[in-house]
Amino acid sequence: EVQLVQSGAEVKKPGATVKISCKVSGYNFNDYYLHWVRQAPGKGLEWMGLLDPEDDERVYADDFQGRVTIAADTSRDTAYMEVSRLRSEDTAVYYCARVPRTQYYFDYWGQGTLVTVSS
Amino acid sequence: EIVLTQSPATLSLSPGERATLSCRASQSVTRSLAWYQQKPGQAPRLLIYDASKRATGIPARFTGSGSGTDFTLTISSLEPEDFAVYYCQQRNNWPPRITFGPGTKVHFK
Repeated sequence: EVQLVQSGAEVKKPGATVKISCKVSGYNFNDYYLHWVRQAPGKGLEWMGLLDPEDDERVYADDFQGRVTIAADTSRDTAYMEVSRLRSEDTAVYYCARVPRTQYYFDYWGQGTLVTVSS
Repeated sequence: EIVLTQSPATLSLSPGERATLSCRASQSVTRSLAWYQQKPGQAPRLLIYDASKRATGIPARFTGSGSGTDFTLTISSLEPEDFAVYYCQQRNNWPPRITFGPGTKVHFK
């Protein structure tokens, strides 16, 4: 069974950094792209970036370039996303999701991680 | 960058009724468009990809159609569990970017 299991909720102060993990199971980690998508309260879905675990290539959305780092530990079948210089507008649920190679759609998602940024 | 717009923003319907949701792209995406369903407190679920192919386990009452810039998701007869928000999504090939539409909320009349 394919599963993407994310780390738990976080509360951070403005200016801090948060790191979220996404552990996958039930498939070969290297065979799929791993993306990150966020959703602010009551808002829509916002794509943040992707990682190719096979060659460690990363692509970031323009709005997050320089403030978001996506990484992976292939020995642990785990992806990570770090967001720095947090501000209140970063309060959101963050999802990891996989995309089959050569495709564009998200076929499995993590359960989401709520990050709250508050002073 | 390709922009997706969805209409209507909200749809008020009753169980058993037909739902027709629209997604329009600012330029052609051929048939590379996906639809997702999201319920409160849950991650999105893939319903349709390549404009009209149902994902594994998706009931036949969900039908996708369209190509180019205009796409439609039809739910033939709403079940109580279908009341949710629906998003369309596509990808720019280069530079690689994913974009989502703003969503359509289907709620009880």
